[in-house]
Amino acid sequence: DTEVTQTPKHLVMGMTNKKSLKCEQHMGHRAMYWYKQKAKKPPELMFVYSYEKLSINESVPSRFSPECPNSSLLNLHLHALQPEDSALYLCASSFGGRDRTNTGELFFGEGSRLTVL
Amino acid sequence: LAKTTQPISMDSYEGQEVNITCSHNNIATNDYITWYQQFPSQGPRFIIQGYKTKVTNEVASLFIPADRKSSTLSLPRVSLSDTAVYYCLVGRLSSGSARQLTFGSGTQLTVLP
Repeated sequence: DTEVTQTPKHLVMGMTNKKSLKCEQHMGHRAMYWYKQKAKKPPELMFVYSYEKLSINESVPSRFSPECPNSSLLNLHLHALQPEDSALYLCASSFGGRDRTNTGELFFGEGSRLTVL
Repeated sequence: LAKTTQPISMDSYEGQEVNITCSHNNIATNDYITWYQQFPSQGPRFIIQGYKTKVTNEVASLFIPADRKSSTLSLPRVSLSDTAVYYCLVGRLSSGSARQLTFGSGTQLTVLP
């Protein structure tokens, strides 16, 4: 299984709603990532988890709250978002372990397309 | 983090070889060069990675000169399905930790019939 599964694929929410994006992988990867991608722009790194601990937060506003309940799951909790937060949210995972054969390849999900009204 | 510069767009015809060059003047000694492909509304997909000289796999080749300040992704005999955005990334490959990879602006490759 070399898949990263993201749900939901599409989400529409109002600015006062609370919603969550979910990401799951069963490749035994110990590093997981959230990226945000606006139309015709490159993905922007938001958060990095390593061994279920938050290791990088790229100065993301607090209305985005990541959570890593276990090594296979990564959530992104959304609250009080703005219309400009509408984007494709991509989850990725990588091996992140001590293995000299590790290429460091990031495996991406298909993304969750978020629209904030 | 090393910054990368790529052409914004390229056009090619089916069956031709396509070379996309990426500039990364401030690459660090421990940095690897990685290329990803992205189709619309999909996540990026790993193509190839290298440190120096030449790397080849079943879909592409990666050429890296001795000074490592640039790299060239070579796609042999492209088809219409190779139309996508191609990203060059530079970053450290550290065992035991996650990778902090920053995407550059990418190159939109359009393959014409």
